[in-house]
Amino acid sequence: EAGVAQSPRYKIIEKRQSVAFWCNPISGHATLYWYQQILGQGPKLLIQFQNNGVVDDSQLPKDRFSAERLKGVDSTLKIQPAKLEDSAVYLCASSFFGETQYFGPGTRLLVL
Amino acid sequence: ILNVEQSPQSLHVQEGDSTNFTCSFPSSNFYALHWYRWETAKSPEALFVMTLNGDEKKKGRISATLNTKEGYSYLYIKGSQPEDSATYLCAFRSGGATNKLIFGTGTLLAVQP
Repeated sequence: EAGVAQSPRYKIIEKRQSVAFWCNPISGHATLYWYQQILGQGPKLLIQFQNNGVVDDSQLPKDRFSAERLKGVDSTLKIQPAKLEDSAVYLCASSFFGETQYFGPGTRLLVL
Repeated sequence: ILNVEQSPQSLHVQEGDSTNFTCSFPSSNFYALHWYRWETAKSPEALFVMTLNGDEKKKGRISATLNTKEGYSYLYIKGSQPEDSATYLCAFRSGGATNKLIFGTGTLLAVQP
């Protein structure tokens, strides 16, 4: 079974630029999550989708971050404009109806 | 604000040593406690999902216990090997409509040959 795919794996941008990350969950997984992990901290949930509807986006900085999952499969997370403090690993995860969340390898973002 | 704490922050052991880490979480409104292993440049890998007070789970040389009344879980690694080197994360899920996980900051384990 293929795992959660993410791209790109690494991205370096300058502050005020825009960036987008892509996630393809495990086939059949209805729930998709985006996490932000800042160095020295644990992963923090940014947004959770159930199919293509948003379940929880309470910690998403909506003035600069946006995410969509139009067909209930792939998802993109966008930052516009980026700030220095957005430097982090962005993890995508998916789950079926069970408790376990399956993670992708993450995108490491560096904002200069 | 729900707080999940892990200790120690980092640990260096010799190959063959046994070791353990602690995860502390809120003791009220408990639903589940997750353990993940995250090796550098790889995906975090699910180790255990624990839901019942007194639960003990085992996977090879790794085992975990759960005490929901006092709000802690221990992860044990018996006879550490270099391939066990990783960050070990625990995550707490409270009862509610979503399965939102609150992660600790992790314990970084380095096993030297």
